Amino acid sequence: GAGVSQSPSNKVTEKGKDVELRCDPISGHTALYWYRQSLGQGLEFLIYFQGNSAPDKSGLPSDRFSAERTGGSVSTLTIQRTQQEDSAVYLCASSLGGRGLFNEKLFFGSGTQLSVL
Amino acid sequence: AQTVTQSQPEMSVQEAETVTLSCTYDTSESNYYLFWYKQPPSRQMILVIRQEAYKQQNATENRFSVNFQKAAKSFSLKISDSQLGDTAMYFCAFVMDSNYQLIWGAGTKLIIKP
Repeated sequence: GAGVSQSPSNKVTEKGKDVELRCDPISGHTALYWYRQSLGQGLEFLIYFQGNSAPDKSGLPSDRFSAERTGGSVSTLTIQRTQQEDSAVYLCASSLGGRGLFNEKLFFGSGTQLSVL
Repeated sequence: AQTVTQSQPEMSVQEAETVTLSCTYDTSESNYYLFWYKQPPSRQMILVIRQEAYKQQNATENRFSVNFQKAAKSFSLKISDSQLGDTAMYFCAFVMDSNYQLIWGAGTKLIIKP
């Protein structure tokens, strides 16, 4: 597609349920990032995928969070046993990859607003 | 650890006025890059302007310019002739050379009043 696509746009769930958030990066982009944006906060790095390399999962806040990227394209962020503190906007971004963030532009999706009741 | 601080949670100015958003950062690195991103209500982050730390010349992009003071670790954004479409959250961000982890400030909500 023309841009980074995220679905759903909004998700309301009950505490304890699992949720899956999807990101479709720009075709040909090898780098993919997930960020969490809590109310009144800047973006918090969650995970980074680059091509076929092992992902950098150092930003995932707990073992309830996991992400995968199938075929080097679509990525899914899964949150198990959701808690109220997981409520936030989850943003995905992609870039051509491999040249550093100054040399290549990051393209962001519009995010998924997750609300855990 | 690197940190980015935006001390103005919210600002508002009249259309056509000039506004400056402040950003300070903390790092022991000498080579890094700084960015300003805009986030409109659509939530999609858009790059406004970027600056290389080793360049003394301040970056400019049309109505947007920065005042980069490396010694003071300050990176402010100036918006000239502000327009209604500039209303958005503005985030300052930092990345070390050849790194991929952006460090973000908490943002400044900018409101342009007609």
